[in-house]
Amino acid sequence: AQKVTQAQTEISVVEKEDVTLDCVYETRDTTYYLFWYKQPPSGELVFLIRRNSFDEQNEISGRYSWNFQKSTSSFNFTITASQVVDSAVYFCALSEAYGGATNKLIFGTGTLLAVQP
Amino acid sequence: DGGITQSPKYLFRKEGQNVTLSCEQNLNHDAMYWYRQDPGQGLRLIYYSQIVNDFQKGDIAEGYSVSREKKESFPLTVTSAQKNPTAFYLCASSIDARHGSTYGYTFGSGTRLTVV
Repeated sequence: AQKVTQAQTEISVVEKEDVTLDCVYETRDTTYYLFWYKQPPSGELVFLIRRNSFDEQNEISGRYSWNFQKSTSSFNFTITASQVVDSAVYFCALSEAYGGATNKLIFGTGTLLAVQP
Repeated sequence: DGGITQSPKYLFRKEGQNVTLSCEQNLNHDAMYWYRQDPGQGLRLIYYSQIVNDFQKGDIAEGYSVSREKKESFPLTVTSAQKNPTAFYLCASSIDARHGSTYGYTFGSGTRLTVV
């Protein structure tokens, strides 16, 4: 069965610290996609990144970086020099396919990141 | 701008009443989804629809109903049969169900439902 685990329920850091959010997934599929979403206090989930299972290159976007390791089934997210505006709930998600007919996202339980000034 | 509009943002319901949450999208997406969010439990799928006039149950469909009469609209009714309806409800859409996992979902800003 597909599953996404975000073991860190809450993380609190001081501004300018680096922080890594962990994501571990389980799937039997050989082809799958992984996502990170950000949920600020306003409630809307904001798409951050998607990664397919054949691309293990790490990605950097400004202060954000992602480390995908198939060997450990992990897709971790690092924020460098955190800012107060980074405070949000972050969700990791995995695509799921039932016989190829429908793809659905399976979400982790989320990590609440609080960045203190 | 294209997006998903959920209304109302806050909703209060008396026990025993049905209530309908609105979700409208102008992205021309075929697939739409309803999720429920509770503290510490992440997002759980209630219903999804791949195309107009078709929808399927998700993981926690009991006590909920939906309709998909128009491509743009996917309203969710929380019925009196739902024992614990107080939660945050999120609507999402994707280009189509098959490619939803390729391009990800677009989410609305949610409706917070409270039973009083």
